[in-house]
Amino acid sequence: GQNIDQPTEMTATEGAIVQINCTYQTSGFNGLFWYQQHAGEAPTFLSYNVLDGLEEKGRFSSFLSRSKGYSYLLLKELQMKDSASYLCAVRPAAGNKLTFGGGTRVLVKP
Amino acid sequence: GAVVSQHPSWVICKSGTSVKIECRSLDFQATTMFWYRQFPKQSLMLMATSNEGSKATYEQGVEKDKFLINHASLTLSTLTVTSAHPEDSSFYICSASLRRDPYEQYFGPGTRLTVT
Repeated sequence: GQNIDQPTEMTATEGAIVQINCTYQTSGFNGLFWYQQHAGEAPTFLSYNVLDGLEEKGRFSSFLSRSKGYSYLLLKELQMKDSASYLCAVRPAAGNKLTFGGGTRVLVKP
Repeated sequence: GAVVSQHPSWVICKSGTSVKIECRSLDFQATTMFWYRQFPKQSLMLMATSNEGSKATYEQGVEKDKFLINHASLTLSTLTVTSAHPEDSSFYICSASLRRDPYEQYFGPGTRLTVT
C-alpha cells in the first residue's frame, strides 16, 4: 500500500522560513514531487527529487532521504503569495502515476 | 510549453443528468492522461489513468460505469460523470504526461462540478 504523511497546517510570518515535512511508505519509489496549489486552482510543479540530497531552486529547496522515507520542502523569505497548500507526491517504481499526500496548508501572516 | 486545458471550468447540473469534462494538451502529445478528484480541503485522489487508444485503468473504489473516460487522441481525454448525484460535486483535475524522464505531470486548471 501507499502511505504519505504531511502536517495538515502550518503558520509562518512573512520573511521567515518554513519547513514542510513529508514521510512516505510506498510499495516502490521512483521519485518524489512537491506541488503548490492555491485554493480553487490546479497544482503547479515545484520540485522533483529522485536521489538523496538537497535540490535548490530559488527560494524553494527540497530534500530527500530514501533510506528514511523522508522529504522536506523549505520555503525561504516567505511572501504573502506563498499562502497555499503544498502537496507531496510519490511516484512508485512502476508506471508514472502519482500518489499524493494530504497536503499542508501554509498561512503566511504579515 | 506543456499547457493543459480543461473545459468547462465550472458546471452546475441537476441530479440524474450527465456531464462531460474535456482535457486537452495544447502544445504536446500526451501519452498518458490522469483524472483526479479533489474534495474541499483534501488532497488529490487519482480516479483513473488513460492511455490513448486503450481502456482506462480505474483506481480501486472508482465506478467505471459511472465515470466514463475516453482517450480518443494524443491530445484529448474526456471524463463523463453519468447520472450525477450531489455527492459527485467536486473539483475534477486532469493531468498529462510526456514519454520522458522524469515523467512530470502537467495539470489542467480543473473543473468545478456542482450537482443540485
